[in-house]
Amino acid sequence: DAGVIQSPRHEVTEMGQEVTLRCKPISGHNSLFWYRQTMMRGLELLIYFNNNVPIDDSGMPEDRFSAKMPNASFSTLKIQPSEPRDSAVYFCASRRDRGPDTQYFGPGTRLTVL
Amino acid sequence: AQSVTQLGSHVSVSEGALVLLRCNYSSSVPPYLFWYVQYPNQGLQLLLKYTTGATLVKGINGFEAEFKKSETSFHLTKPSAHMSDAAEYFCAVTLTGANNLFFGTGTRLTVIP
Repeated sequence: DAGVIQSPRHEVTEMGQEVTLRCKPISGHNSLFWYRQTMMRGLELLIYFNNNVPIDDSGMPEDRFSAKMPNASFSTLKIQPSEPRDSAVYFCASRRDRGPDTQYFGPGTRLTVL
Repeated sequence: AQSVTQLGSHVSVSEGALVLLRCNYSSSVPPYLFWYVQYPNQGLQLLLKYTTGATLVKGINGFEAEFKKSETSFHLTKPSAHMSDAAEYFCAVTLTGANNLFFGTGTRLTVIP
């Protein structure tokens, strides 16, 4: 299996621009998670989906952030408009089932907002 | 609510020395516990996990962890550190039927040659 695929791996953009991060989960996994990692705040869960439905988006920092999962093999995290404080590494993870099943992480997207 | 606390944001050991990374959890019901490792510029990779059964769990790369309910701990150990073990290590907890993991703040391990 190819694992969780994220694109792009690096993104540099200017403040005010729209940014779209993409994730392809592992085939057969029915849960998908978006995390953000920064030096100051560590690893934060932004949102997770179960069977393509958003279950908990309480970690989404503000309305500038939105996430979609139109089908079982694709998800996007969009920031519009982007701000310098959004600079972070964004990880996508997927899991086959609930509870003790392992979350498998993608390589992350390093976002820099100038 | 469940949470984990990792004692020591940075740990340094000499090559060949024992590695001990500490994790304590808080949970009102029996938890599932995980250790993940993150190498520079990479995503998180599962080292090992405890679900039920044997309390001593062996993982990849020679790591192991012991679930101690009486101490609410799940410390990660390795008898002999290798240079390639230098990374950041995260402890995490979840519960039966829960959807998300709760991660600790991480411990950065440095191995001194």
